[in-house]
Amino acid sequence: DAGITQSPRHKVTETGTPVTLRCHQTENHRYMYWYRQDPGHGLRLIHYSYGVKDTDKGEVSDGYSVSRSKTEDFLLTLESATSSQTSVYFCAISAAGTVTNQPQHFGDGTRLSIL
Amino acid sequence: KQEVTQIPAALSVPEGENLVLNCSFTDSAIYNLQWFRQDPGKGLTSLLLIQSSQREQTSGRLNASLDKSSGRSTLYIAASQPGDSATYLCAVKEDSSYKLIFGSGTRLLVRP
Repeated sequence: DAGITQSPRHKVTETGTPVTLRCHQTENHRYMYWYRQDPGHGLRLIHYSYGVKDTDKGEVSDGYSVSRSKTEDFLLTLESATSSQTSVYFCAISAAGTVTNQPQHFGDGTRLSIL
Repeated sequence: KQEVTQIPAALSVPEGENLVLNCSFTDSAIYNLQWFRQDPGKGLTSLLLIQSSQREQTSGRLNASLDKSSGRSTLYIAASQPGDSATYLCAVKEDSSYKLIFGSGTRLLVRP
């Protein structure tokens, strides 16, 4: 397994509360990604990072923010959680982005339930 | 807008059978295509990556092909085993984009 650790693995919280998910990698890879996986929608990119302090939006970024202060950590924050954000969240890493053909490697996911 | 489709959504076969999983995409301007396996409650495991200039990639009993012009890829699994039971996802990376666009997956059950 690529050295990717997501925490927490499971979380239940209430609507309106802030939630932060953490992705930690030991591979020193430059690129990190946050996806969500929902029935009927597959995996969709939320945000990604191409370096420390360098982040950009994916296709479903509304309601989410990210931060990357160190190469190894990529945080996903739901400022005010809503029930529509109940999902399984996956972090992925890759050694490079568009200019080379490096695969993305995924963590085991965080199952988030918002009541 | 790129769309990735996987048919069938589910497949059940007896052990030992050779099988083909299909993936189609609407825009042929892709950079590469990646096949993943996902076990229940787990993350995705990368199986094969085919660059846009390649026609196929092989790893053990797995062979993935790519036909960009027709917008299709297939994953061939030889001599299937119960341990191959999982959901198989394909994803394309478009030119000049960091993101992967995923299909919804094919759920495979290999019966002993």
